Amino acid sequence: TQLLEQSPQFLSIQEGENLTVYCNSSSVFSSLQWYRQEPGEGPVLLVTVVTGGEVKKLKRLTFQFGDARKDSSLHITAAQPGDTGLYLCAGVSGSNYQLIWGAGTKLIIKP
Amino acid sequence: DSGVTQTPKHLITATGQRVTLRCSPRSGDLSVYWYQQSLDQGLQFLIQYYNGEERAKGNILERFSAQQFPDLHSELNLSSLELGDSALYFCASSVGVKGDGYTFGSGTRLTVV
Repeated sequence: TQLLEQSPQFLSIQEGENLTVYCNSSSVFSSLQWYRQEPGEGPVLLVTVVTGGEVKKLKRLTFQFGDARKDSSLHITAAQPGDTGLYLCAGVSGSNYQLIWGAGTKLIIKP
Repeated sequence: DSGVTQTPKHLITATGQRVTLRCSPRSGDLSVYWYQQSLDQGLQFLIQYYNGEERAKGNILERFSAQQFPDLHSELNLSSLELGDSALYFCASSVGVKGDGYTFGSGTRLTVV
């Protein structure tokens, strides 16, 4: 069974601080997606990383795919209250292209 | 508006009852996925349809069933409801089946009392 472990599960920090969320697996993924979900809403796709070692930036968010395509990280610089939400990673698995989901990181940014 | 429409937004029903959740995918998307999300938990994949055919099954209970119609909208039927079925149910759609990014609807919050 393929697993995608996300850490930390919960993070509460002050506005202006930096943070990193991790997704780790023993399995190789063909690509990995990051989503953000706000309360009462569906997840929204932030980015897809495809190539090992790939780095993508979305304003203050930096996404990295591990060289071996088994892990990924999301780094937020100078976090703002608007970044509050549940961050989910999902890896695309094997020949059936099914998404393997992490359990999510609940992020709270305090003003 | 994501382009994926889910109805109803809220549903309250009694144990033992049956409900139907409806999803219209984003225009042009042929794949529809159903997910369950319990309070403060991650997404549990239930089932996927592609162009009217069942493509993949996840942790879907036998009391649950789904279908995708020729116009590509999908319905998730939940029967013999139990208290533990209370959750958010999300529909997502994508163009194809190769793990391209999903577009989620805003969900149906089901409360079983």
